[in-house]
Amino acid sequence: AQKVTQAQTEISVVEKEDVTLDCVYETRDTTYYLFWYKQPPSGELVFLIRRNSFDEQNEISGRYSWNFQKSTSSFNFTITASQVVDSAVYFCALRNYGNNRLAFGKGNQVVVIP
Amino acid sequence: DVKVTQSSRYLVKRTGEKVFLECVQDMDHENMFWYRQDPGLGLRLIYFSYDVKMKEKGDIPEGYSVSREKKERFSLILESASTNQTSMYLCASSDSISYNEQFFGPGTRLTVL
Repeated sequence: AQKVTQAQTEISVVEKEDVTLDCVYETRDTTYYLFWYKQPPSGELVFLIRRNSFDEQNEISGRYSWNFQKSTSSFNFTITASQVVDSAVYFCALRNYGNNRLAFGKGNQVVVIP
Repeated sequence: DVKVTQSSRYLVKRTGEKVFLECVQDMDHENMFWYRQDPGLGLRLIYFSYDVKMKEKGDIPEGYSVSREKKERFSLILESASTNQTSMYLCASSDSISYNEQFFGPGTRLTVL
């Protein structure tokens, strides 16, 4: 079984503020993969990052950073110095090794106010 | 540039009509998926296919069927559309490597009147 929880539904921030999106997952497998996707208003989900269960190294890509902690089953996403273009729905997802299916969280609607 | 395309961005149908949603990918992916997205419910898997003519039910298959006659094309069929099937429908594809991500189409917003 695999499950992803994104507790916050909508988050509003003023431009240039930081915003952190929480993702908590559940799985019985030892090998799994975690993903973040962005869905802008145009509708198409855009892949942002993946992490495998053996790689707990945090990652930074420009203003985006990810914090993976197996001890708390969390894979949190931070946008630093937010911009209006960051306004979107962000989904966290989990895929167990050997399983074709992705389990998605319900998504975080981020609204960046200019 | 890899692509997943869906036949329509917006579709309006009447209750009881048969509806076809088409999805095509050009990445030679084995797996293809149909999701529906509703406010507050996130993405829910309707059906997926891991090979030509093969399919598996997802979490909410009731009221839907699918067809995959060719590797690049995956169709979602609403045999008799109902108003509760008004939603955003997203198609995705992936290869068989667990590590790799799914690629999504732009979505079809279906309204059933």
